[in-house]
This record gives sequence, structure tokens and C-alpha cells, in this order.
Amino acid sequence: QVTLKESGPALVKPTQTLTLTCTFSGFSLSTTTMRVSWIRQPPGKALEWLARIDWDDDKFYRPSLKTRLTISKDTSKNQVVLTMSNMDPVDTATYYCARERLGVPPEDWGQGTPVTVSS
Amino acid sequence: EIVLTQSPGTLSLSPGERATLSCRASQSVPNNYLAWFQQKPGQAPRLLIQRASSRATGIPDRFSGSGSGTDFTLTISRLEPEDLGVYYCHLYGTAPPFTFGGGTKVEIK
Repeated sequence: QVTLKESGPALVKPTQTLTLTCTFSGFSLSTTTMRVSWIRQPPGKALEWLARIDWDDDKFYRPSLKTRLTISKDTSKNQVVLTMSNMDPVDTATYYCARERLGVPPEDWGQGTPVTVSS
Repeated sequence: EIVLTQSPGTLSLSPGERATLSCRASQSVPNNYLAWFQQKPGQAPRLLIQRASSRATGIPDRFSGSGSGTDFTLTISRLEPEDLGVYYCHLYGTAPPFTFGGGTKVEIK
């Protein structure tokens, strides 16, 4: 059974760096074809894809946020970490991590973690 | 970047009726890598359809996807009360960015 869970601060101040951790089980990110993405959803708005890391350590970022995002993996801990620098109130959202496989869209999602950016 | 435009914004139908949701891409979707998700209030999205027309595991057959190129459709043949929520189309695959449409809200009368 595949499970994912996001963790991180619920509140960050403007200009701070957000660090989110996705801890998963039921698969290994060292297995060929495995991928993990981060997706966010501002309150009452649509989903927004942020970043993805693949089994071979290929990394992809949303172009408009590329300078602020860093994604990494720790295969031994079954974790994927997303950092977002220079946080702004418009970054207030629920942040999800999700498992993908080669040729398959996100099929397993975490419950999401809400993040508020406010001074 | 491929932009996905969904219509209508809101669909209000009675149980048993047919729902037709549209997703239009600004460019042809490579390999038809277009997915549909259902999101109920307070929940994470759930994968319904992948590669435009293949139902995900455990999805009832009243949900079907069709289309290719730039025009895609999600059809719910007979609406059930539990089908209320927001439906998103999503471009995925090997060529980022992997965008989502703006969503269609399905309301049950």
C-alpha cells in the first residue's frame, strides 16, 4: 500500500524560506520509473504543479517559480524535500506531494499540508 | 507552456443526468498524456482517467474520457449524489511544465 504524508510549518513569515518534507512508504524512489511531484492549491483556487523529481534524480520546476524552488530526495529515508525561498502571502496554499510513474499521472496523493504566509 | 482551459465553470445537474466536461489545450497534447481528477471538498484529488480515456483502478464505468490532440471530454453518464466536487484536467508526462486546468465544479440539484 502506497502512502505519502507532507510535513512542515503551518505558518511562515514573508521573505522566509519554506521547507516541506514528503515522507512516503510502499515504493522506493530508487526504482526505475518512480517520480514524486509537489502540487499546491491556494484557498478556493485551482491546483498548481510546482516541481518533480525522478528516480534518476532528474528535476523539473514550474518555470515562473524556478528561481525559488529546490527539490531533492533522500532515498534511504524515503523522503522528498521541497524548499521555496522568499515566501510571499500569495504562496498561501495547501501543498501536496504525489507519486507518479513513468507515463502515469499522479495516482497517489498525500493529505496535503496547509501553509499560511503572514507576518 | 501548454495552457488547459476547462468549461463550463460550473455544472448543476440532477441525479441520473449526463454530465459533459470539456478541456481544451492551447497546443496538441503529446502522447495524449491528459488526465482527469476529481476533488471533493476537503480532500486530495483522486485520479479518474489517464491518457485521455483509460479509467484508473477502481473508478466506476459511469466515468469515461475521450478526445485527442487539443480537445478532451470527461463524461459522467449517470450522475450520482457522491459525484459532486471539482474536476480538473491535467497535462503530464515528460515535457514540463505539467499544467492543470482551472476546474469545473459539479453541483447536484
